[in-house]
Amino acid sequence: GESVGLHLPTLSVQEGDNSIINCAYSNSASDYFIWYKQESGKGPQFIIDIRSNMDKRQGQRVTVLLNKTVKHLSLQIAATQPGDSAVYFCAEGNNDYKLSFGAGTTVTVRA
Amino acid sequence: NAGVMQNPRHLVRRRGQEARLRCSPMKGHSHVYWYRQLPEEGLKFMVYLQKENIIDESGMPKERFSAEFPKEGPSILRIQQVVRGDSAAYFCASSPAGGTGELFFGEGSRLTVL
Repeated sequence: GESVGLHLPTLSVQEGDNSIINCAYSNSASDYFIWYKQESGKGPQFIIDIRSNMDKRQGQRVTVLLNKTVKHLSLQIAATQPGDSAVYFCAEGNNDYKLSFGAGTTVTVRA
Repeated sequence: NAGVMQNPRHLVRRRGQEARLRCSPMKGHSHVYWYRQLPEEGLKFMVYLQKENIIDESGMPKERFSAEFPKEGPSILRIQQVVRGDSAAYFCASSPAGGTGELFFGEGSRLTVL
């Protein structure tokens, strides 16, 4: 079936280094992709989104890359900070509310 | 600065009881979405509502679950005759218009069924 998945369940990164979180999707009809950050006990917080007519989008310290050929999405976080420690979810959809979420990657920032 | 407000934050029910979860969208938002998150999993879409209308309930279990968003008051997700498998975090999100981008999530309601 269709699925959204992450390559690695956990990522440990040194403070100040760049982080890269990967995500694979299989629904070629998806045209909207989002990255969310979820801290313990809280709701998902929007980080950045990208539509299928783009292959790169940048925000503040974050960049999302979309490779439709191999159905791959990644989130790059520059100069990772302790506050970046959280679970990161990629989500896909072909309308903006009915999103399919992956299982999440837990990012731990080492001081 | 009122974001999406959900209550209760934590709810404990025994098998067979009813659970009611409430969601007040952000000010100015008229579209509400409910998602469920099982432990160690991502969020799963349940239902999308506008005021007094269910737009898409394709993610809702066919039995025991219902949702409403009345003209006045919060959206309510109702689970009748709860079972242990209903234990999860239930997240509500809202948006100013449907299908146009970012969803703003609440902090979630964590249901535990004993």
